[in-house]
Amino acid sequence: DVKVTQSSRYLVKRTGEKVFLECVQDMDHENMFWYRQDPGLGLRLIYFSYDVKMKEKGDIPEGYSVSREKKERFSLILESASTNQTSMYLCASSLSGDQETQYFGPGTRLLVL
Amino acid sequence: GQNIDQPTEMTATEGAIVQINCTYQTSGFNGLFWYQQHAGEAPTFLSYNVLDGLEEKGRFSSFLSRSKGYSYLLLKELQMKDSASYLCAVRPPFNFGNEKLTFGTGTRLTIIP
Repeated sequence: DVKVTQSSRYLVKRTGEKVFLECVQDMDHENMFWYRQDPGLGLRLIYFSYDVKMKEKGDIPEGYSVSREKKERFSLILESASTNQTSMYLCASSLSGDQETQYFGPGTRLLVL
Repeated sequence: GQNIDQPTEMTATEGAIVQINCTYQTSGFNGLFWYQQHAGEAPTFLSYNVLDGLEEKGRFSSFLSRSKGYSYLLLKELQMKDSASYLCAVRPPFNFGNEKLTFGTGTRLTIIP
């Protein structure tokens, strides 16, 4: 079974703090993704990566950056957390290919005070 | 751009059948996914359609009409554990970055006894 893990299930941070969210997958997937999920807005793509050290902006990259130094790990960084970044953050990974589904981690619920 | 519409909420009775619709207007299309997401958990893959027609998997079936920009997920013999959100997601045509998916806001399905 594919396993995608995220470093924390719940996180509370203060405005202005730098926040790191870590995601690790164990199935040698090329592609990794970071989403945020908000009520009424659904899943929105922040960044994705199709290879080590490669990254592409998603639909809402502002206020975020990412790092992929190793194939199995994809980090999301909030340089200076703000209250509007309070959300559920979901990481996903997939193989390359038209029919390949994305496998999701359990999510990190981030509260920025 | 991508625009995906799903009903926000639906209610159905245990043992019955329910159909969850998804319509999309996208700049290109290369497949449609359905995911199930229980409250507080990660989305999990249900089905993938790229050609017109019905794909059946046990109690769940998914239908696609590319000319109409329309898909539905059909759930039969409903069980209480089917109470969840159902997410429709569209994949763009194959090109750089085609691994991205655009998600609808999801349909929250409640099963009542």
